[in-house]
Amino acid sequence: DVVLTQTPSTLSATIGQSVSISCRSSQSLLDSAGNTYLYWYLQRPGQSPQLLIYLVSNLGSGVPNRFSGSGSGTDFTLKISGVEAEDLGVYYCMQATHAPYTFGAGTKLELK
Amino acid sequence: QVKLLQSGAALVKPGASVKMSCKASGYTFTDYWVSWVKQSHGKSLEWIGEIYPNSGATNFNEKFKGKATLTVDKSTSTAYMELSRLTSEDSAIYYCTRDYSGFDYWGQGVMVTVSS
Repeated sequence: DVVLTQTPSTLSATIGQSVSISCRSSQSLLDSAGNTYLYWYLQRPGQSPQLLIYLVSNLGSGVPNRFSGSGSGTDFTLKISGVEAEDLGVYYCMQATHAPYTFGAGTKLELK
Repeated sequence: QVKLLQSGAALVKPGASVKMSCKASGYTFTDYWVSWVKQSHGKSLEWIGEIYPNSGATNFNEKFKGKATLTVDKSTSTAYMELSRLTSEDSAIYYCTRDYSGFDYWGQGVMVTVSS
């Protein structure tokens, strides 16, 4: 199975600070058709996960544009440009290029 | 709007089975795959498998083959997952999701507790 390694595991930030989360894959996520099935989710405390970014860099429906995704191959990054209080929770990357779909271990974003 | 409404929490004995439901609304149920995801307490997410309601086709994570059975009822736009031969390792929250360029909608989750 593809292993996704997220760093850091915990991130402390102040409101307004910009932060980045890394997701590294054990295999390239580029498929033979040129697609990269890498996604980012946020799980707020006590809630279900929600989709933030799809196909590496596309914003999910209703997701604020302070979120952005980038990367290719095996290295991907989620950036939050100006953390807000509602952004606190656990962030997960997920790949769907290779079966089975797999998730990273998560990065917890907390207030400093 | 799109909603996935899951059944309530379940307390089940070791060795028993549990069947949970996921009722979809706000979209054409048969047009999108439904995936199921497991979240053990305080841990990350595991993809269990997916079903295409229109045909009943399924794909599974090898780890959950023989553990999970996925079905649908097109007449009620409801997806089901049955977990068999439950052990303490199956205690978790289980989510259903709509799969459209990522899991774009999630149910509220079903907490399953396996205890005698």
